[in-house]
Amino acid sequence: DQQVKQNSPSLSVQEGRISILNCDYTNSMFDYFLWYKKYPAEGPTFLISISSIKDKNEDGRFTVFLNKSAKHLSLHIVPSQPGDSAVYFCAATRDDKIIFGKGTRLHILP
Amino acid sequence: KAGVTQTPRYLIKTRGQQVTLSCSPISGHRSVSWYQQTPGQGLQFLFEYFSETQRNKGNFPGRFSGRQFSNSRSEMNVSTLELGDSALYLCASRGGSFEDEQFFGPGTRLTVL
Repeated sequence: DQQVKQNSPSLSVQEGRISILNCDYTNSMFDYFLWYKKYPAEGPTFLISISSIKDKNEDGRFTVFLNKSAKHLSLHIVPSQPGDSAVYFCAATRDDKIIFGKGTRLHILP
Repeated sequence: KAGVTQTPRYLIKTRGQQVTLSCSPISGHRSVSWYQQTPGQGLQFLFEYFSETQRNKGNFPGRFSGRQFSNSRSEMNVSTLELGDSALYLCASRGGSFEDEQFFGPGTRLTVL
């Protein structure tokens, strides 16, 4: 039973445009939601998080939106840059445990 | 400050063998978590150690075990290896509080033949 789902295994976006990565979850008891970015041969690096009591958090080019009624969150990257090409993992925390989605590979096209 | 280090970076084993992976956290960090990453399952939580005690555990069989030493270094052991254990094993450290950010190591790529 997958509690955190990233239904798009990959996404291609033109450089300069907006990248939107989506994540759905099933458990309404999650406390925090996080996004991690992973390059090949490296461990994931933390990008941005949002508390379950908020609906938006912004950090530079990255914005995370949380829709609790739909149990859905999204990561917006504007504008997309070549260095954003990576795998993005959505994660959720509950009871001191962190659960990850399977990841979405983002390709930024020149 | 040095980051999280993992050794070895690559490992090839055969079915039935056992393997031990090592993780050195960032200096001062007391919590070490282990994750398995596979293409089909994404990142899955194995367990977390804090002050030499297992604090949390994921849904993995007992073949997967770990420990943490007094200097916060951690080892993960997998016994009776199966082909499906082939994966990237990631270690992450954080200060101690769950609100602290996690920092990941580069991972150990384990291939089971």
